[in-house]
Amino acid sequence: AQSVTQLGSHVSVSEGALVLLRCNYSSSVPPYLFWYVQYPNQGLQLLLKYTSAATLVKGINGFEAEFKKSETSFHLTKPSAHMSDAAEYFCAVSVGGYGGATNKLIFGTGTLLAVQP
Amino acid sequence: GAVVSQHPSWVICKSGTSVKIECRSLDFQATTMFWYRQFPKQSLMLMATSNEGSKATYEQGVEKDKFLINHASLTLSTLTVTSAHPEDSSFYICSARDSLTSGGTGELFFGEGSRLTVL
Repeated sequence: AQSVTQLGSHVSVSEGALVLLRCNYSSSVPPYLFWYVQYPNQGLQLLLKYTSAATLVKGINGFEAEFKKSETSFHLTKPSAHMSDAAEYFCAVSVGGYGGATNKLIFGTGTLLAVQP
Repeated sequence: GAVVSQHPSWVICKSGTSVKIECRSLDFQATTMFWYRQFPKQSLMLMATSNEGSKATYEQGVEKDKFLINHASLTLSTLTVTSAHPEDSSFYICSARDSLTSGGTGELFFGEGSRLTVL
C-alpha cells in the first residue's frame, strides 16, 4: 500500500530562514507525489508535484522539492521564509499510479509551519 | 487553474437533522469527485469517491447510509449528512480533476471546504 509520512507536526522558522518540511513515502510502484498548502478554513492549493520527470521539482511561491528514491523522500524546501508562508503543508501520494481521473490522493498528517518575525 | 466551489461554507444544525453540502466544478467537467473529512489540526481523510451517474465508492469505515453522496451531473456532487450528531462536526472538503485535460497530471483541485457544526 502507498503512504506518506510527514516528520514533525510543527515547524517554526524565522523570517528569511530556510524552510525544510520532511516527507517520506512508501510505495511498491513508482510514486507520484504532491505537496499542498492549506490556509485556515480554506481548501488545499497545489504547491508542486513529482510525476517521474525531473527529480528536482519547482513549485509556486519559491518552494521546491527533490525526489530521492534512495532515501524514499520528497522533502519540501524554500530558501527564505516569508511571513505569508505560515500555513499547514500536506504531502500526498497518488494511489494507483500516475494520471487517471479516478486516482485517489492519500495525505500525510500535515506540518504546521510558523514563521517568526 | 480549475475552480471547485463548495456551498455552504459554514453550517450549524441541530442534532438529528440532515445537512446537504454541494460541490461544483465551475469551469470544467468532473466525472469523479472526492470527499474528504478533516478534523481540527488533523489531516484529510478520504471518505468516498463520487462517480457521475453511478454509486459512490466509500472508504472502509465510512457509513454510506450516514453520508449520502449523489453525483447527478458532470459538474455537481452533493454530500448529505443524515441525522447529524455532534460527532459529525467537522470540515468537509471536496476535490476533483478535470476529466478532459488534467486527468494525466494527477492534480486535484479543492473546494474551499464546508465547516459543519452540529449542536
